[in-house]
This record gives sequence, structure tokens and C-alpha cells, in this order.
Amino acid sequence: TQLLEQSPQFLSIQEGENLTVYCNSSSVFSSLQWYRQEPGEGPVLLVTVVTGGEVKKLKRLTFQFGDARKDSSLHITAAQPGDTGLYLCACLPNSGYALNFGKGTSLLVTP
Amino acid sequence: DVKVTQSSRYLVKRTGEKVFLECVQDMDHENMFWYRQDPGLGLRLIYFSYDVKMKEKGDIPEGYSVSREKKERFSLILESASTNQTSMYLCASSPGGRTNYGYTFGSGTRLTVV
Repeated sequence: TQLLEQSPQFLSIQEGENLTVYCNSSSVFSSLQWYRQEPGEGPVLLVTVVTGGEVKKLKRLTFQFGDARKDSSLHITAAQPGDTGLYLCACLPNSGYALNFGKGTSLLVTP
Repeated sequence: DVKVTQSSRYLVKRTGEKVFLECVQDMDHENMFWYRQDPGLGLRLIYFSYDVKMKEKGDIPEGYSVSREKKERFSLILESASTNQTSMYLCASSPGGRTNYGYTFGSGTRLTVV
């Protein structure tokens, strides 16, 4: 099982601040996905990154895949209370169909 | 809107009961998965299925079984519920094969075993 380390574990910020969360592995990812999970709901896919060095933007969210494909980051600009949730990264192992998930970063954005 | 539907949002069962958690998807996906989510432990894979009547054990299959008689339905069975199976259970589906399309999750079933 490919282990994914996410940091920080918890983050509490005020509305309007910027933040970055990280996802790291000792092994190379074939691809990496980011999900957001709101309290009491299932995770929702935000983005998939495949190519080393790839950058994808989703409104105020910027996702980056490391050149060596062993790390990824999610940057949120001008955070809003609606960004509150658990951010999970996930990758496919070298064989099989089931994603491995990191333990997540729990983000709280207060007005 | 495409969906994965889990039959119950909240469930309370007694120790020793046989528990059925149902999951239905309307996207014609081949792959379906059951995870449990616990604080500090993240999402852990219990079982998955890549086709009708096919199943594979995940990382923590002990105490669980699954059934997939139809493509759209994947059931998780707790043979004899125990308190350490109190958890949030998440069902997900994805298109066939190894895919970058990502999972579609249900809203989860929060199971409490007393």
C-alpha cells in the first residue's frame, strides 16, 4: 500500500487568508486526485493530476503536481467559510483498482 | 444528476446483529467500493468489486462480507456486528478498469453498534 502523508493535519484560518496543504509519498504516483469532504457527506472529487509539474486551477483553488510525481499541493486563495471541510488526496497503487487515501487536512475557515 | 445512494444515513444496531448496508449507483459503473472512515485513521478499504458477482478483499475485510448480484447494487454485510464496527461507511463507484476519472461517493452511513 502506497502511503500518503498529508500536512498539516488541522488548519484554522480566517476568511480572506491564503493557505497551502500538502500530500507526499515516498513512491512515485501514477496519478493523484484531490477530494473535499464536507461534514456529514461523502468526499467529492475536485481534480485529477497526471503529469509531473502539472498545475490545475479551479476558481480560487490551485493544484500542483510535483515534477518527480511524489508530491502535490493545494493552494487556496482568499479562503471563504464555504471552503471548510476535509481535504483528501488519493492515488492509484501500481496495480489494482482501489484508491489509497491520505488521512486528510481538516480546514476550518471562520468569518 | 448522477448518484450513488446509500440506503441509510444513520443506523443503530445491537451487538451480534446481522447488518446490511445497501449502495446503489445509476452511472453504469463497473467498479464499486466500500470504505470505512474513522477519526485519525482516514478511509480504509473494506471490499471492492470490479464486476457483477466479483469481489476483492481490501485492507480490513475481517468481520465483513459483500454481495453484488446486479451491476448497480453493492451490499456490505456485517455478519455479527461488534462495537468496534461503529464507524462512517462510505460507498463509491468508478468506471471500469484503472481509471483517472475518480470516484463518486455516496453520502455515507453512520453506523453505531451498541
